[in-house]
Amino acid sequence: KAGVTQTPRYLIKTRGQQVTLSCSPISGHRSVSWYQQTPGQGLQFLFEYFSETQRNKGNFPGRFSGRQFSNSRSEMNVSTLELGDSALYLCASSLTGAGETQYFGPGTRLLVL
Amino acid sequence: QQQVKQSPQSLIVQKGGIPIINCAYENTAFDYFPWYQQFPGKGPALLIAIRPDVSEKKEGRFTISFNKSAKQFSLHIMDSQPGDSATYFCAASNSGAGSYQLTFGKGTKLSVIP
Repeated sequence: KAGVTQTPRYLIKTRGQQVTLSCSPISGHRSVSWYQQTPGQGLQFLFEYFSETQRNKGNFPGRFSGRQFSNSRSEMNVSTLELGDSALYLCASSLTGAGETQYFGPGTRLLVL
Repeated sequence: QQQVKQSPQSLIVQKGGIPIINCAYENTAFDYFPWYQQFPGKGPALLIAIRPDVSEKKEGRFTISFNKSAKQFSLHIMDSQPGDSATYFCAASNSGAGSYQLTFGKGTKLSVIP
């Protein structure tokens, strides 16, 4: 079974731009979560989607948004990029959500200059 | 407010040693406690997980000990190997109440020297 895939793997953007990251979950998984990983803050929860509905959102500004498609693939968007948005963005999928095994993708490394 | 506190930040052990990583949580509603292992350039991978109805769980060389009254849990790695060198994260979640998120500790960088 193929694992969670994320594209692109690396991105370089400048302040003020926007970016869209993509995540394809494991086949059959309907829950997709997004996390931001930085050396200072560690892994922080962004949001979780299930059957195209956002069920939970972390403590991030509205510049961070996401969506999920009917095939469970998910995208997250960050608008008006700031230097502090430089991070590894991780996507995780599971059958139905937290409380069960979540499988992480390799992440997208975003550098904002 | 950090809800899962992990220690130590870094750990160096010799091959064959038993590194122990500790985590403490505050939210008594947490009922699922996984440990993840992350190598550089990779996403975290689930190692082992425990629920509060058991006090210990073993999978291969990895053991979780869980103390519900103290709100603490720990990871022990038996007969550690250089290939175990990675960053380890504890996490917790509340599978009820519609939270659907993992709260992670800050991570422990483990180095196993030959």
